[in-house]
Amino acid sequence: DIQMTQSPSSLSASVGDRVTITCRASQDIRNDLGWYQQKPGKAPKRLLYAASSLESGVPSRFSGSGFGTEFTLTISSLQPEDFAAYYCLQYRSYPRTFGGGTKVEIK
Amino acid sequence: QLQLQESGPGLVKPSETLSLICTVSGGSISGSSYSWDWVRQPPGKGLDWIGAIDSRGATYYNPALRSRVAMSVDTSKNQFSLKLASVTAADTAVYFCFYGGFSWGQGTLVTVSS
Repeated sequence: DIQMTQSPSSLSASVGDRVTITCRASQDIRNDLGWYQQKPGKAPKRLLYAASSLESGVPSRFSGSGFGTEFTLTISSLQPEDFAAYYCLQYRSYPRTFGGGTKVEIK
Repeated sequence: QLQLQESGPGLVKPSETLSLICTVSGGSISGSSYSWDWVRQPPGKGLDWIGAIDSRGATYYNPALRSRVAMSVDTSKNQFSLKLASVTAADTAVYFCFYGGFSWGQGTLVTVSS
């Protein structure tokens, strides 16, 4: 099974900050990775798929990069509505696996 | 636009079987390109993938739950279902169904308690 290690588990940042979240896969998943944002009491919302492709309607301040085993989600300028939890999900193979999550909090 | 909606009991007794249904609207469950998945989230914790069923009926389960999980599809009702046997308090969670990674149900809280 593929393990996804996500870091950091939490971070504090200010509006306007650049934020980077990392997911590391235990084996090569090519670019079969999605990034999700989840707000309290809501279902996760996919921001990016195929590691770097932005979902329709998602602001361009969100970007993703990586291939193989190392992936990053970057928020170029953090906005008030971006304070949430973020998860990566590998869909290269079954069982699917999520990263442990990153909670982005207001500094 | 595809919409998914979970339904089922919100309270299940320990040792019993949790049963949930995901009803799909806005598209057909038959011949779908992607699998139909279940995910759960214990209170205050992260997302845990439970399993998936594809359009051919092939199933894929989380190894940690494989001995207790069963998934099926009812194409006549455009629904797919989850059964989790021998539940304990550790199975208390919000359960989500999703398709293709991008269409999610709103989630349903299932509490395991006597």
